[in-house]
Amino acid sequence: NAGVTQTPKFQVLKTGQSMTLQCAQDMNHNSMYWYRQDPGMGLRLIYYSASEGTTDKGEVPNGYNVSRLNKREFSLRLESAAPSQTSVYFCASRERLAGGAAYEQYFGPGTRLTVT
Amino acid sequence: AQSVTQPDIHITVSEGASLELRCNYSYGATPYLFWYVQSPGQGLQLLLKYFSGDTLVQGIKGFEAEFKRSQSSFNLRKPSVHWSDAAEYFCAVGSGGYQKVTFGTGTKLQVIP
Repeated sequence: NAGVTQTPKFQVLKTGQSMTLQCAQDMNHNSMYWYRQDPGMGLRLIYYSASEGTTDKGEVPNGYNVSRLNKREFSLRLESAAPSQTSVYFCASRERLAGGAAYEQYFGPGTRLTVT
Repeated sequence: AQSVTQPDIHITVSEGASLELRCNYSYGATPYLFWYVQSPGQGLQLLLKYFSGDTLVQGIKGFEAEFKRSQSSFNLRKPSVHWSDAAEYFCAVGSGGYQKVTFGTGTKLQVIP
């Protein structure tokens, strides 16, 4: 199992350019997430998808859109990049264990995005 | 709304010394609590989790954490730190609906010889 994969690993954009960050998981998880990580702020949830066909906003959704293409893939799009979107982006997936037990998220390696 | 506070931004310990990283949470019901570790340039890896039962939970790499409901705390401990433990550590709390996890701002651990 590759787990959670993200592409690209690094990206530099100019202000106003658009791009899509790709995420895929091979663990058959229902839920997938996009976070951004900034120094001193921990991880902040951008969007999540509880299951295939559904998406919901997190704490910081402005300037982003998402697509849950299928159960495996969850992409994040920046339509018009801004310097404030310079960050490290992490995708994660998780599944509910039998009996309603807590379950952890599995994280991808991250995409380091710089917007100039 | 749920929240997590990690009051220590940066901690330095000597190799072989004991470690305790603090975590306080705010949540209305029984929390689901996690500790993750992040090495430089890497994603997050789960160290341990708590959702019910024994309040002292054991994790990987010799870490443990104790859930104290009365103090709304879930502190991470290790009896003897190794140089390879230098990393950033994140405490997180999950909602009852399982859909959202809120992370603390992290504690960076430096280990000196």
